[in-house]
Amino acid sequence: GEDVEQSLFLSVREGDSSVINCTYTDSSSTYLYWYKQEPGAGLQLLTYIFSNMDMKQDQRLTVLLNKKDKHLSLRIADTQTGDSAIYFCAEKRAGRRALTFGSGTRLQVQP
Amino acid sequence: DAGITQSPRYKITETGRQVTLMCHQTWSHSYMFWYRQDLGHGLRLIYYSAAADITDKGEVPDGYVVSRSKTENFPLTLESATRSQTSVYFCASSEQGATNEKLFFGSGTQLSVL
Repeated sequence: GEDVEQSLFLSVREGDSSVINCTYTDSSSTYLYWYKQEPGAGLQLLTYIFSNMDMKQDQRLTVLLNKKDKHLSLRIADTQTGDSAIYFCAEKRAGRRALTFGSGTRLQVQP
Repeated sequence: DAGITQSPRYKITETGRQVTLMCHQTWSHSYMFWYRQDLGHGLRLIYYSAAADITDKGEVPDGYVVSRSKTENFPLTLESATRSQTSVYFCASSEQGATNEKLFFGSGTQLSVL
């Protein structure tokens, strides 16, 4: 996960918006993903965006992609305590089957 | 709706022992993957498989062996466990031809090598 970077920790209050950021280095990336990992569980796909898109919205989730700066963000509106988890950014590089993951951002939601 | 299951859930072993982690999926997905999760490194790819009898190395394959005699199973073997292999191991699968490459993960195996 060296080529995909994320900040390690984010703390927000319940009801606020959370923004988790990710930077990647490979301009050939075709899809970018956000996965969520709850304690003691595997990763679950939250959302993904194709590289020719700038934004994707899915209920409380908004993904923004700045391809020029190789920057991806996930905004969670009206953050709830159930959103507390580790969030992983991942990229699919052209010609590769496996995804490359970042180190994960731990989101803590305070009541 | 079993999905993808890993066993054991927890394993403690000693340095030098052989350990096999099991992964089974019920979707008939062509692709299967093994990742390890370590603090500060996120998930790193160990091995993956495109189909039965086809496997390939990932980012950190040393010390591991895989096999895929059946589409639904993808066991990972540590031939001679070392302390540096203490980690959480995740198996994942995806459909062939799925251009958006969604991965489905198992719940993980937490391995401790003493």
